[in-house]
Amino acid sequence: EAQVTQNPRYLITVTGKKLTVTCSQNMNHEYMSWYRQDPGLGLRQIYYSMNVEVTDKGDVPEGYKVSRKEKRNFPLILESPSPNQTSLYFCASRRLAGVGNEQFFGPGTRLTVL
Amino acid sequence: GIQVEQSPPDLILQEGANSTLRCNFSDSVNNLQWFHQNPWGQLINLFYIPSGTKQNGRLSATTVATERYSLLYISSSQTTDSGVYFCAVHSGNTPLVFGKGTRLSVIA
Repeated sequence: EAQVTQNPRYLITVTGKKLTVTCSQNMNHEYMSWYRQDPGLGLRQIYYSMNVEVTDKGDVPEGYKVSRKEKRNFPLILESPSPNQTSLYFCASRRLAGVGNEQFFGPGTRLTVL
Repeated sequence: GIQVEQSPPDLILQEGANSTLRCNFSDSVNNLQWFHQNPWGQLINLFYIPSGTKQNGRLSATTVATERYSLLYISSSQTTDSGVYFCAVHSGNTPLVFGKGTRLSVIA
C-alpha cells in the first residue's frame, strides 16, 4: 500500500530534550516536506527536500533541522524543543513535477513540549 | 505567493442535506487538491483535481482553472462527513498552499 508513515504518533516531552520524528514514504517520491498545524494559523511548511541531500527552508524553519540521506526518509529533528513547538506535525511527499504530482500526507504527530 | 480562500468558513447541516464548498485561488496552478481532516486530525486525500470534474461516491469536485476556482459537492451528508475540508494548490515545485478550511458539522 502506498503510504507516508510517521513515528511517533504522540509525544510528550520536556523543554530542551532533543527529539526526532521519523518520516518514511514508499512511493519513490523526490519531494518531501514537513508542516506544522496550529489553531488559527493553518498548515505552515517547515522544511522541504527536492531530492537526496537537497533540503531547504519553508515558512517556519526556526528551531528545526532535517536531513535527507535516503530518498524514502526525511526525519524532523528538534535539537532543543520549546513549548512554542507544541503542535500537530505532518510529513508529506509527492513527485517533483509532471503529471500526477498529488501530495500525500502522513497520519500526523501530536507533540507537546512542557 | 498564491492566496487561497475558502468559503464558507463554517457550515452546519442536517444529516441528508447537500452542500457546496468553494475554493478561490489567486494565480495559475497546476495542482489542486481537496482534503478532509477528520476529528482525529488525519488529512485524508479526497481529490486531486487541477481541472475538470471528478466523482467519488457522494462527493464530487469541479475545478475551473481558467476562472481560478474549485467546488466540492457533498450530497446526502452523514455525520461521518464532519470535520474540516481544505483546498490546497501549488504550481511547479512550489510548496502546497492551504486555504483556511471549511469546518463542517453534520447533525443527526
